[in-house]
Amino acid sequence: NAGVTQTPKFRILKIGQSMTLQCTQDMNHNYMYWYRQDPGMGLKLIYYSVGAGITDKGEVPNGYNVSRSTTEDFPLRLELAAPSQTSVYFCASSQGGQLGRWDTEAFFGQGTRLTVV
Amino acid sequence: QKEVEQNSGPLSVPEGAIASLNCTYSDRGSQSFFWYRQYSGKSPELIMFIYSNGDKEDGRFTAQLNKASQYVSLLIRDSQPSDSATYLCAVLHTGGFKTIFGAGTRLFVKA
Repeated sequence: NAGVTQTPKFRILKIGQSMTLQCTQDMNHNYMYWYRQDPGMGLKLIYYSVGAGITDKGEVPNGYNVSRSTTEDFPLRLELAAPSQTSVYFCASSQGGQLGRWDTEAFFGQGTRLTVV
Repeated sequence: QKEVEQNSGPLSVPEGAIASLNCTYSDRGSQSFFWYRQYSGKSPELIMFIYSNGDKEDGRFTAQLNKASQYVSLLIRDSQPSDSATYLCAVLHTGGFKTIFGAGTRLFVKA
């Protein structure tokens, strides 16, 4: 039972470098999300997707890009990394629900700890 | 005003006591509300969800929702040291597509 798998678990980037955080889910969920969590803080929504080919911005999208070419995969791209992007990144997925009863649980990956120096 | 607000704590309670965690939200159209528990260095995991006004009980946990006051709470009865974690309140935004999290409340249960 893999669930939501994120790679890598840890990464150190230099300022200005780029990288892609990978996220794959095997639960056939339509909804996928990327959050970042700064130390001692809650989760901030970066981008989300409600299905293959459909993505939208969350609360803090600047400096990031996403794509959703398949139901399973939802990679997050960091272009020109900055120290402010040092954080723990979580990918999550959910089933989605019926209108008026959106009682759906989000399943999280293990997280990627990113440091930009 | 933040969309989802929680007291950051820490909240410290003795073992066996009731821990009360509170959350307010700003979007009146929000439809579902969640409590996640996050141990240090781990991913969040769902404890409770609630979408109707009133109380919902599951074992030692009770979620309470008051949509008129835009208020959600989580009660943990008979608190155990293993309940020590950060508790995140999450709200499913109007339209049902975005789940917004609060900053979390750190709970310490003293043995």
